[in-house]
Amino acid sequence: RKEVEQDPGPFNVPEGATVAFNCTYSNSASQSFFWYRQDCRKEPKLLMSVYSSGNEDGRFTAQLNRASQYISLLIRDSKLSDSATYLCVVNSGTGGFKTIFGAGTRLFVKA
Amino acid sequence: DGGITQSPKYLFRKEGQNVTLSCEQNLNHDAMYWYRQDPGQGLRLIYYSQIVNDFQKGDIAEGYSVSREKKESFPLTVTSAQKNPTAFYLCASNQESNSGANVLTFGAGSRLTVL
Repeated sequence: RKEVEQDPGPFNVPEGATVAFNCTYSNSASQSFFWYRQDCRKEPKLLMSVYSSGNEDGRFTAQLNRASQYISLLIRDSKLSDSATYLCVVNSGTGGFKTIFGAGTRLFVKA
Repeated sequence: DGGITQSPKYLFRKEGQNVTLSCEQNLNHDAMYWYRQDPGQGLRLIYYSQIVNDFQKGDIAEGYSVSREKKESFPLTVTSAQKNPTAFYLCASNQESNSGANVLTFGAGSRLTVL
């Protein structure tokens, strides 16, 4: 079993749609959680951290369920510019070297 | 602007050759990392360094070597011993936090192709 699992997609949605990505992690001792965005042939960039209470940044909402070891990302009112790969990222302790990356979910937003 | 600079952006290598990928950061971060990304897979950690003059093997260190002689620099050498070196290589850095919020900043990557 992979330490961080994501549906690879691709998700093909029209502009304006709401899309949700899910992620599960295997290490119950994991301490911090993130969503990164990666454009084609570019480096990953932090989209948002994920907190236990859930957090929102504009059209993006992230939620964490520690009991189920499950993380989600919701994108509302999708834009063409949201087309990218979204990486679920989990850190299992103190130290960046304990960061585990999911393989990513590809999103295509069409006009 | 602070950031991480990787070079070269594209590199072609013949089998049997060693190549060195450069990574320089001006973020004053203590920790630096090298990852490899292959299609359909998550990033995999090659080597990391938490402080100058010290580095540790990651999950896939075989066939690679690094040095950390300066805080700003963490070059990666892909040796001829690496059996499948064609990949996208990403350098990252962060300032370690005891709170666990270890957000990584990445360079733009180096794409290595073995001919």
